[in-house]
Amino acid sequence: DAGVIQSPRHEVTEMGQEVTLRCKPISGHDYLFWYRQTMMRGLELLIYFNNNVPIDDSGMPEDRFSAKMPNASFSTLKIQPSEPRDSAVYFCASSWRGKNTEAFFGQGTRLTVV
Amino acid sequence: DAKTTQPTSMDCAEGRAANLPCNHSTISGNEYVYWYRQIHSQGPQYIIHGLKNNETNEMASLIITEDRKSSTLILPHATLRDTAVYYCIVVYVSGAGSYQLTFGKGTKLSVIP
Repeated sequence: DAGVIQSPRHEVTEMGQEVTLRCKPISGHDYLFWYRQTMMRGLELLIYFNNNVPIDDSGMPEDRFSAKMPNASFSTLKIQPSEPRDSAVYFCASSWRGKNTEAFFGQGTRLTVV
Repeated sequence: DAKTTQPTSMDCAEGRAANLPCNHSTISGNEYVYWYRQIHSQGPQYIIHGLKNNETNEMASLIITEDRKSSTLILPHATLRDTAVYYCIVVYVSGAGSYQLTFGKGTKLSVIP
């Protein structure tokens, strides 16, 4: 298995533009997590899904952020409009609800908003 | 809330054992202790987890106190490649689908030649 796949790896965009980050979880996993990491705030949980249904989105910073999971093999995190303070590394992770198995993380998307 | 407390940073000599402590005094009986690490700017990587018994795998050992209020991750022979941020996390997966995987600040381990 190729693991959790995120795209793009790097994204540079101008303030006000729409940004879409993509994630393909490991096949068979039923949990998908989106995180944001900055030096100041560390690794923050934004939202997670179980069987494609959002369970907890309390970490989503504001209405400019939205996440979808249309099927078990794909999820998107969208920022519209983007702002410089959204610059961060965004990680996606997936897990299987077996007996407390581990989460597998993607390599992340480094977003820079100028 | 991460529900765990870890030292901000630690140093370890290469080849020696690295012992990373974690306090989780409010842990519930059905919550597991998980350890992850993050090397440079890669995604976090799972190391080991346990409920109440000590655990060992090819990467590390996990020692959990009898009252479950603290644990120690042991890297038996630290190498330079073990330099990373180590996260101790308390995890519970409910029958209703709740699975909070929340990270704290972690411990920055520096392995010194």
